[in-house]
Amino acid sequence: DGGITQSPKYLFRKEGQNVTLSCEQNLNHDAMYWYRQDPGQGLRLIYYSQIVNDFQKGDIAEGYSVSREKKESFPLTVTSAQKNPTAFYLCASRAGTSSYNEQFFGPGTRLTVL
Amino acid sequence: LAKTTQPISMDSYEGQEVNITCSHNNIATNDYITWYQQFPSQGPRFIIQGYKTKVTNEVASLFIPADRKSSTLSLPRVSLSDTAVYYCLVGDNFGNEKLTFGTGTRLTIIP
Repeated sequence: DGGITQSPKYLFRKEGQNVTLSCEQNLNHDAMYWYRQDPGQGLRLIYYSQIVNDFQKGDIAEGYSVSREKKESFPLTVTSAQKNPTAFYLCASRAGTSSYNEQFFGPGTRLTVL
Repeated sequence: LAKTTQPISMDSYEGQEVNITCSHNNIATNDYITWYQQFPSQGPRFIIQGYKTKVTNEVASLFIPADRKSSTLSLPRVSLSDTAVYYCLVGDNFGNEKLTFGTGTRLTIIP
């Protein structure tokens, strides 16, 4: 089956630790995205990548880092510099920048900082 | 980026038609209008997309007036499983990658 996978589904970390969230897609999509969602809120864009080895900051990039070494992978690292990291993290991909390219979302990772 | 405004919440009974309107007064010429549905603890999923007039698929219809400053998502004969948050997005599909999700509309279907 084609799709986007995120792992793990639930993640716990101690304050002050870095943690990396995985996102893999086998849809052969060029663009990939990371969003953060807090309870009762919409999605906020953290980083996005339109092509391998290139990525751009979204609206709330501070305290996060990404890499795009392979087309199918876009891992997100939540660093200790992120003040309120507890949230639901969603990864998405999209075929390209022409019309009717919907975003496909993964199942999400719920990160809790203890 | 065109900003969107939607009602925060709506309630409806099962079997009724539900219309959710989104305002996007500063929509640009190249912008498309896209609606997503999100269930709790899941990623959003695409429902429908349009540019002007009316679009219909197996799930919903999207009505866009001539001035394109608003759009209405129409869900026919809703069921309890349609309880979700619905997001309206307006964006340029030709290179502008920063599609912005607002807070959406929380739709609750009442039995």
